Amino acid sequence: AQTVTQSQPEMSVQEAETVTLSCTYDTSESDYYLFWYKQPPSRQMILVIRQEAYKQQNATENRFSVNFQKAAKSFSLKISDSQLGDAAMYFCAYRGHGANNLFFGTGTRLTVIP
Amino acid sequence: GAVVSQHPSRVICKSGTSVKIECRSLDFQATTMFWYRQFPKQSLMLMATSNEGSKATYEQGVEKDKFLINHASLTLSTLTVTSAHPEDSSFYICSARDPQREAYTQYFGPGTRLTVL
Repeated sequence: AQTVTQSQPEMSVQEAETVTLSCTYDTSESDYYLFWYKQPPSRQMILVIRQEAYKQQNATENRFSVNFQKAAKSFSLKISDSQLGDAAMYFCAYRGHGANNLFFGTGTRLTVIP
Repeated sequence: GAVVSQHPSRVICKSGTSVKIECRSLDFQATTMFWYRQFPKQSLMLMATSNEGSKATYEQGVEKDKFLINHASLTLSTLTVTSAHPEDSSFYICSARDPQREAYTQYFGPGTRLTVL
């Protein structure tokens, strides 16, 4: 079974600084998708960024970028120029190519210090 | 685009009653929707996959007679918690895939907080 591990229960970052959230996963599949979701205090899950495993290029979305290391099964999220609104729980998620469901990590709570 | 709504956002009920939660895809048709449960300070746990026009697929350990799922149209799935008990109190979140967009991405509703007294 696929497992997703987020080893940092909590992280903090100074406003305007950069922070990296870690995620590793275990799979025997070669084709799959990886996601980072953000869950602010409102608890609405918001898609931050996604990556197709067959793409070597790391995905970027404005201040958010990933470091996808397929061989190491690592998928970290980098947030640049952190803003107060970035404070939230961040979940890493995995989906197999032919599968329907997502496997979530346990989450990292990010605090942004003014 | 890809907006998913849930209703109600919050519900309090007495033990033994049934509660229905609606999940709607507002700007797309979703042949597949998903129901998750999230306990405080924990991750999301998939309960079941809801397929339009057919029976839902439940994850291991989820009682299908307790959590009834109906996906009667391409924009609506409902989760009914039957004979609710205090241990059913939780945050329930639905999601949906838009097959016309990036088919592998799930978009989430805002969640429903259920409290059973």
